[in-house]
Amino acid sequence: HVQLQESGPGLVRPSETLSLTCAVSAYSFSSDYYWGWIRQSPGKGLEWIGTYFHSGSTYSNPSLNSRVTISVDTSKNLFSLKLKSVTAADTAVYYCARLPYRSGGGIFDNWGQGTLVTVSS
Amino acid sequence: DIQMTQSPSSLSASLGDRVTITCQASQHISKYLNWYQQKPGKAPKLLIYDASNLETGVPSRFSGSGSGTSFTFTISSLQPEDIAIYYCQQYDNLLGLTFGGGTKVAIK
Repeated sequence: HVQLQESGPGLVRPSETLSLTCAVSAYSFSSDYYWGWIRQSPGKGLEWIGTYFHSGSTYSNPSLNSRVTISVDTSKNLFSLKLKSVTAADTAVYYCARLPYRSGGGIFDNWGQGTLVTVSS
Repeated sequence: DIQMTQSPSSLSASLGDRVTITCQASQHISKYLNWYQQKPGKAPKLLIYDASNLETGVPSRFSGSGSGTSFTFTISSLQPEDIAIYYCQQYDNLLGLTFGGGTKVAIK
């Protein structure tokens, strides 16, 4: 059973870069899946951040596009999120998730447990 | 962006009741609609994909229907473990995946 686990600092200062990684266990990266990030502000709904497709192409939420970088390290079985120039509005629980290739990159079929990131000085 | 509007935002029903949630898309999305369940303090879990397909391992009391702009999610007989927030999500536009605002289901 594939497991995803987010990790990274729980506190980030305003204007700095939020960096998270998602370790994928019991699975080796292949072309069967894409990899994505979603966040949920306290007490709010879900917001898609971005998806990493094959060959290094990434789609990001237009509202965040210029601040988001998603990358994959197949040698370490993990993928990463970097969000630049954060503000308090970026405080949220961040989830990593898997998207089956068969879905074209639209179905999140396996999620990490989530990690809370607070932006504060 | 394609806007997804769920209703109601919350509901209260008795155990064994049939529960229905609707999700309206701001434009045509064919069948590209998923439903997720989120229990308190947990990550969302995929229940239904492509509007009506039950994810493996999900109880058959959960079902989905619809296409185009109007979709329905149903719990045929509400169970205590179904207390959660349910979200719809469209993927007609892969450059702008969007979720509905959620429906909180409680026991009356």
